[in-house]
Formats: sequence, C-alpha cells, structure tokens
Amino acid sequence: QVQLQQWGAGLSKPSETLSLTCAVSGGSFSGYSWTWIRQSPGKGLEWIGEINHGGGTNYNPSLKSRVTVSLDTSKNHFSLNVTSVTAADTAVYYCTRRRATGFCSGRSCFPFVGWFDPWGQGTLVTVSS
Amino acid sequence: EIVMTQSPATLSVSPGERATLSCRASQRVSSNLAWYQQKLGQAPRLLIYGVSTRATSIPARFSGSGSGTEFTLTISSLQSEDFAVYYCQQYNTWPFTFGPGTKVDIK
Repeated sequence: QVQLQQWGAGLSKPSETLSLTCAVSGGSFSGYSWTWIRQSPGKGLEWIGEINHGGGTNYNPSLKSRVTVSLDTSKNHFSLNVTSVTAADTAVYYCTRRRATGFCSGRSCFPFVGWFDPWGQGTLVTVSS
Repeated sequence: EIVMTQSPATLSVSPGERATLSCRASQRVSSNLAWYQQKLGQAPRLLIYGVSTRATSIPARFSGSGSGTEFTLTISSLQSEDFAVYYCQQYNTWPFTFGPGTKVDIK
C-alpha cells in the first residue's frame, strides 16, 4: 500500500522560497501524477500543481509563475518550490497523487482520473518575518 | 475556474440519523466529482469518485448521487467516526477545485 511522507521547513520569511519534499513508499512512480494541494482558512483546499512520471507538469494558473514541482525517481520523491512567498502562502501543504490514465473496474469505466488518493500527513508552513 | 459551493456549512445530526450534504458547481462537471472526509488534524481521505463510486474500504452507508451541477453525499446512519468535514471536488476542468466544506457535528 503506497504511503506518502512529507517534510520541509515550517517557517518561511516573506520573499523567500518555500520548499517541501514528499517521499513515496510501497508503490511505483509510473502511471501517476504527483500532486501538491494546500489548505488555508482563507482559501480552503487549493490545487497547486502536479508532475507525471515523464516529467510533464500542470500548474494552477493563479500560482504558475511562482511554483515548480520536480521529481527525483532515483530517490522516490517529488518536491515543491514556491518562490517569493507572502503571508497569503501560509497554509497546510499536502502531497498526494492521482492516476495518470483511465481505467475500468467491474462494469464502470473512468476515462479520466482527477481524484486524489492517498495523501501525505500535511506540513504547516507559516510565512512570517 | 469552476466554483464549488456546499450547503449547509454546518449540519448537526444525532448518531444513527441520516445526513444529506449538497454540492453545487458553477458550471456542468459531468460525472467528474469526488467527495472527501477530513477529521481534525488529519489529511483529507477520499470517499467517493465519479459521483457515486465508493473508494476502497469506504462503508456502504456513504453514497453519492447527482449530475451536471448538483450533487449529494448521503450518510445513511451516522456513526461516531463520521463526524468530520466533508469536501466535494470537481475534476472536469483545470484547475481542479474544491468546495468550502460541510462540517457534520453531533446534535
């Protein structure tokens, strides 16, 4: 059963770069898109971006200019960098995954998978001077 | 982007009773809708995808329905472990978006 374990600095100063890493155990990197989502009191759950096994990325347009998601298959982990952070970036950050291709189960087929399972434990990142 | 809304914001229910949670999308999302449960201090957990398909190990008392822009999560008989916040999420259109959540608490 795949597990996601994440870590990173819990405090960032304004204008600095926030960096988080998520390790994947018990499963393969291939066939999935590896995703970051954050949760704040003000904006709720917000999809940040993702990377697939081939290195292709998708980002939320609202964050795209400041976000990079990268993958290190040799270490079985993926990472998030958010540059030029402000107090608005204060949130709990989660790593998670979604299947990169559709599938059929029983009599039901799902041509596209957009749901997330499982999730890492979350990392609270506070942006403050 | 598609805006998801949920109602009510808080639902007070007695154990053993039925809970009905609503989710609305600002545009049609077809059947591309999921539900998650989040308990205090924990990450969200996938409950349902494709509007009505339960994720692995999710009890049958959880069911989903709806189409287009209106969706419902029903918990047929609330157990103590079901008191939590529930979120809907659309994955029809990028960027994927979540609703603000419905908190189910003990009446």
